[in-house]
Amino acid sequence: QQQVKQSPQSLIVQKGGISIINCAYENTAFDYFPWYQQFPGKGPALLIAIRPDVSEKKEGRFTISFNKSAKQFSLHIMDSQPGDSATYFCAASSFSGGYNKLIFGAGTRLAVHP
Amino acid sequence: GAVVSQHPSRVICKSGTSVKIECRSLDFQATTMFWYRQFPKQSLMLMATSNEGSKATYEQGVEKDKFLINHASLTLSTLTVTSAHPEDSSFYICSAPRGDTDTQYFGPGTRLTVL
Repeated sequence: QQQVKQSPQSLIVQKGGISIINCAYENTAFDYFPWYQQFPGKGPALLIAIRPDVSEKKEGRFTISFNKSAKQFSLHIMDSQPGDSATYFCAASSFSGGYNKLIFGAGTRLAVHP
Repeated sequence: GAVVSQHPSRVICKSGTSVKIECRSLDFQATTMFWYRQFPKQSLMLMATSNEGSKATYEQGVEKDKFLINHASLTLSTLTVTSAHPEDSSFYICSAPRGDTDTQYFGPGTRLTVL
């Protein structure tokens, strides 16, 4: 059962445009929603994360929008740059058994064209 | 930010041999670490949770005897792929949560190629 569904699978955006990646989850026990950026051959790096008690969080050019009732959250990358070209993963977790276990979405390969 | 390292970054081995991968938290202690496997162009799949001072917890479908995990100290977890076969070739990544926060920091990954 896929607990976190991510779309689109791939995305092409022109430089300066807005990149939007969407995720939906099923488990209402999830209470932490991070986004990770991964470059080829590297480990994922945390971009930004949100908890369900807020509807939006912004850090620089990156914004998470969260809709608790719809069980959806999205990542917006403003003024997209070629250096943003990478694979982006959403994830979700809940605290259980003494730790948070992350469940990842399938990933979105973003290409920002100059 | 917190740093997690992995060693080696890349390893090539012959079929039937065992390979050990180390995961270290460099500036914080981690009682729990996680091991993931990632196939090309796919997502990260959690293999197991490494617990300092106790046995690892494996995800469904992961062979415990094939993927041996030892959490030797508060800063070191090791994953040993025993009797490796070509189908074990993959990108192995560890992560560790810092303190009592939700944030997990990932290592740079280890590319395993089994010939």
